[in-house]
Amino acid sequence: KNEVEQSPQNLTAQEGEFITINCSYSVGISALHWLQQHPGGGIVSLFMLSSGKKKHGRLIATINIQEKHSSLHITASHPRDSAVYICAATEGEGSNYKLTFGKGTLLTVNP
Amino acid sequence: NAGVTQTPKFQVLKTGQSMTLQCAQDMNHEYMSWYRQDPGMGLRLIHYSVGAGITDQGEVPNGYNVSRSTTEDFPLRLLSAAPSQTSVYFCAAWGPWDSPLHFGNGTRLTVT
Repeated sequence: KNEVEQSPQNLTAQEGEFITINCSYSVGISALHWLQQHPGGGIVSLFMLSSGKKKHGRLIATINIQEKHSSLHITASHPRDSAVYICAATEGEGSNYKLTFGKGTLLTVNP
Repeated sequence: NAGVTQTPKFQVLKTGQSMTLQCAQDMNHEYMSWYRQDPGMGLRLIHYSVGAGITDQGEVPNGYNVSRSTTEDFPLRLLSAAPSQTSVYFCAAWGPWDSPLHFGNGTRLTVT
């Protein structure tokens, strides 16, 4: 069974700081998702990556397949980035695969 | 293109009542699933489907039923509501395996 661990569980930052959230998993995967959930809100997909690095605005996601580790970085953080960030790992390919979620990282960015 | 539409947004039930949470997608994704989200527990899989006519149990299936008669719809039925089913429920759709996940807006269910 794949274990997906996120760290830290909670993170408080000042506006403008560089943020890193980590995700590690225990078995080989096909893809890694980063999701964002604002308080009381829905869940939005930020990134899906299977190798390397992706960037969207101030958000950067990286994955190291050999080390079974992914990171989500937020540059120049802003109070509107305050949310829960969730990573999810996909095992398998084709028509037979499983999705395992981490428990999330609660990010609070203070002005 | 509405994505994943989940209804209702809020629901209050009395113990023993039954209800159906609706989930519909218009993106022709093959995979659909239902999760419950409880404080400190993350998202837990209730039931999932890999295509029309195919469903399977997830991590916490007891007390819930699903069917997938079409690609678009994946309703979740609570057979006899219990206070332990108080939670926020999310429906998700995606496919193929390397595509982004799409979630509904969630249903906040309270069972008294």
